[in-house]
Amino acid sequence: DIQMTQSPSSLSASVGDRLTITCRASQSISTYLNWYQQRPGKAPKVLIYDASRLQSGVPSRFSGSGSATDFTLTISSLQPEDFATYYCQQSYTTPRTFGGGTKVEIK
Amino acid sequence: QVQLQESGPGLVKPSGTLSLTCAVSGGSITSTNWWTWVRQPPGKGLEWIGEIYHSGGTDYSPSLKSRVTISLDKSKNQFSLKLSSVTAADTAVYFCVGDSGHPPESWFDPWGQGILVTVSS
Repeated sequence: DIQMTQSPSSLSASVGDRLTITCRASQSISTYLNWYQQRPGKAPKVLIYDASRLQSGVPSRFSGSGSATDFTLTISSLQPEDFATYYCQQSYTTPRTFGGGTKVEIK
Repeated sequence: QVQLQESGPGLVKPSGTLSLTCAVSGGSITSTNWWTWVRQPPGKGLEWIGEIYHSGGTDYSPSLKSRVTISLDKSKNQFSLKLSSVTAADTAVYFCVGDSGHPPESWFDPWGQGILVTVSS
């Protein structure tokens, strides 16, 4: 199985902050990496697919980059509705594995 | 726009079989290549359970493979999950999910709202 490691596991930030979350794969997955946002009690929602492609309807303050084993999700200016948990997920092969999540909390 | 809705018992006894169904509305179940089940234990992360191709082929998580069956019913526009010999460790919110794109460039969208299944006597 491909292991996905996210860091940090949690962080505190303020509205307006620039935020970066990292995800590392245990082997190369090319750009087959997706990012999801999950608010409490809700299903996850895809933000970024194929490492850097913004899903339709997702605000442009979200961006993704990376390839092979190292990836980042950046939020350029944190908004109140962005306080949530973020997961990366590889689609390179099955089993399709997720990172452990990064919980973004209000400072 | 395709929407998904999980249904099934919210409580299952230990050693029993968890059975869930996902109803697909707003489109044909054959319009998406893959259909997937994902689960999330309370307070924990997401775990991929397995997937079924619209032709009926399946792929399961190695850790659950011996206990999992995913099936498709095109006539009812739904797909199902069965997980046997359940224990408390199988207590989780179970999500049914559609795959968008074409593997390996694929992502999970749309998602059902999720259903909490508790394993307890």
